[in-house]
Amino acid sequence: NAGVMQNPRHLVRRRGQEARLRCSPMKGHSHVYWYRQLPEEGLKFMVYLQKENIIDESGMPKERFSAEFPKEGPSILRIQQVVRGDSAAYFCASSPWQGDATNEKLFFGSGTQLSVL
Amino acid sequence: GENVEQHPSTLSVQEGDSAVIKCTYSDSASNYFPWYKQELGKGPQLIIDIRSNVGEKKDQRIAVTLNKTAKHFSLHITETQPEDSAVYFCAAAETSYDKVIFGPGTSLSVIP
Repeated sequence: NAGVMQNPRHLVRRRGQEARLRCSPMKGHSHVYWYRQLPEEGLKFMVYLQKENIIDESGMPKERFSAEFPKEGPSILRIQQVVRGDSAAYFCASSPWQGDATNEKLFFGSGTQLSVL
Repeated sequence: GENVEQHPSTLSVQEGDSAVIKCTYSDSASNYFPWYKQELGKGPQLIIDIRSNVGEKKDQRIAVTLNKTAKHFSLHITETQPEDSAVYFCAAAETSYDKVIFGPGTSLSVIP
């Protein structure tokens, strides 16, 4: 059973370009979470999605950032018109959500390092 | 919203000694407290978690304690080994499938 897969591992963009980060959850997992990590800082929650629905986007910047988790295919975190301050590691996590709150756990991918020049 | 604080930010111990990391949280609605280990260039890996109906949990050399009244919880690593060197994050959530709020991390160095 493959883990959470994120690609690309490294992404370089110039200011003003768009960045698209992909996350394939573990098999059987229906919930995806995106986190951002700045150098030597903790992980900051961005958004929580299940298939075709955004459950909680309280950590998402109001502009330029969007996320989706379509019925088919990976979850996408999209950053439009990137700025230098967007440079960070972006981590995706997934959970199975079987409705049993006593047994849910988050599994993280290896992250995408975004560098904005 | 929830706010998680963590101390110390850096910790160096001799191999074989114990390491203790302490965290506090602000939201009394939080009931799930996972701990993650992050090695350089990798994603966080869950090492142990505890829920609010339990005061202590142990898994081999790792133990966690929770004081819900005082809103603090701790990670204890005994008989530390060089491979324990990493950044450790405590976290809190209302349930294990809600968004998890992370502390700022503790960089642990185990000196051989």
